[in-house]
Amino acid sequence: GENVEQHPSTLSVQEGDSAVIKCTYSDSASNYFPWYKQELGKGPQLIIDIRSNVGEKKDQRIAVTLNKTAKHFSLHITETQPEDSAVYFCAGEGGNTPLVFGKGTRLSVIA
Amino acid sequence: DAGVIQSPRHEVTEMGQEVTLRCKPISGHNSLFWYRQTMMRGLELLIYFNNNVPIDDSGMPEDRFSAKMPNASFSTLKIQPSEPRDSAVYFCASSLIGPEQYFGPGTRLTVT
Repeated sequence: GENVEQHPSTLSVQEGDSAVIKCTYSDSASNYFPWYKQELGKGPQLIIDIRSNVGEKKDQRIAVTLNKTAKHFSLHITETQPEDSAVYFCAGEGGNTPLVFGKGTRLSVIA
Repeated sequence: DAGVIQSPRHEVTEMGQEVTLRCKPISGHNSLFWYRQTMMRGLELLIYFNNNVPIDDSGMPEDRFSAKMPNASFSTLKIQPSEPRDSAVYFCASSLIGPEQYFGPGTRLTVT
């Protein structure tokens, strides 16, 4: 089955800097890769996703890139703000199997 | 639009007691997922339903855990008897046709 590894587990950046979180997956059949943001006391919220027929996708300050050959994908947050502080999860899904999540990255944006 | 609704938001119970967690998926969604989140193990999929039918319950840790989905708008996760190691945050998520899942706010369970 699918295995998703996520790095780093914690990340601190200065406000205004960029943050990058990386994930690798094992199942070459996986074709859907979402990213979730979880704020304290809340459920994970889908913020952006990418499918295997696309190499990059952007939505304002966040972007996701996918390298199917290397089986890795990354989340990029530019011009970070304090409200970006949260735990971020990547996930992979292939075919008829449900999402498999990474262990999460705790992002702290220091004002 | 109302998102996924879970109740209760917090539950504190004593070891050995029965616990029932409830979930109302987003209206029209046909898949429902139960997850458990702990610091040690992260987000674990316990069971999921498609059109009210359980598809995969291989993530259910023990026979003490059971889940039902009697109709398209309601699901329960029951733990009987509960143990301290069941303490965690339990999430319900739902999806429509595609793989995008939408999570509820979670139930924080504490078993003393």
